Amino acid sequence: GENVEQHPSTLSVQEGDSAVIKCTYSDSASNYFPWYKQELGKRPQLIIDIRSNVGEKKDQRIAVTLNKTAKHFSLHITETQPEDSAVYFCAASFYNTDKLIFGTGTRLQVFP
Amino acid sequence: EAQVTQNPRYLITVTGKKLTVTCSQNMNHEYMSWYRQDPGLGLRQIYYSMNVEVTDKGDVPEGYKVSRKEKRNFPLILESPSPNQTSLYFCASSNSYEQYFGPGTRLTVT
Repeated sequence: GENVEQHPSTLSVQEGDSAVIKCTYSDSASNYFPWYKQELGKRPQLIIDIRSNVGEKKDQRIAVTLNKTAKHFSLHITETQPEDSAVYFCAASFYNTDKLIFGTGTRLQVFP
Repeated sequence: EAQVTQNPRYLITVTGKKLTVTCSQNMNHEYMSWYRQDPGLGLRQIYYSMNVEVTDKGDVPEGYKVSRKEKRNFPLILESPSPNQTSLYFCASSNSYEQYFGPGTRLTVT
């Protein structure tokens, strides 16, 4: 079936450094790629998303890049802060529907 | 305020005792979904619904039932809960892709 692979599963960085999380997807018809942040004990919250007609999108310190040919997309966080510590999930749409296939998550720890 | 609500937020029950977790959204979304979250396994979809009276199995539907009789509500039913259904459950809804998650229901089955 369709799936999304996410790497790494854990990532530790020093405050101020950059963090990169990568995902690959299998469904060539996927056209929507969101990233969710889940803080401890809370619900996943959308932080940025990208659609298939765009190669890159940026929002302050976070950016997402998409390579449709290679079927992978990445989340980039620059100038990391301790409050960026959380679990991050990537996802890809299932064909052209609202159904999302999620990656298994990356636990990001930012040390002061 | 636009939101997805779930009840109860916490539930401890015993094996075999039927239970229902309610989910409601006030955003007039057509798509609704249930996920379970277990350590190291991410968010796995249980069931989803594209619209009223339309439901379909996700990746882990065994042991669960759902119904979608009205647009705003999408209850999750465990007819005979077992300990392997101990998990954190999230309901979500969306229109045009962006999914909004409920606050989660932590279920423990002993």
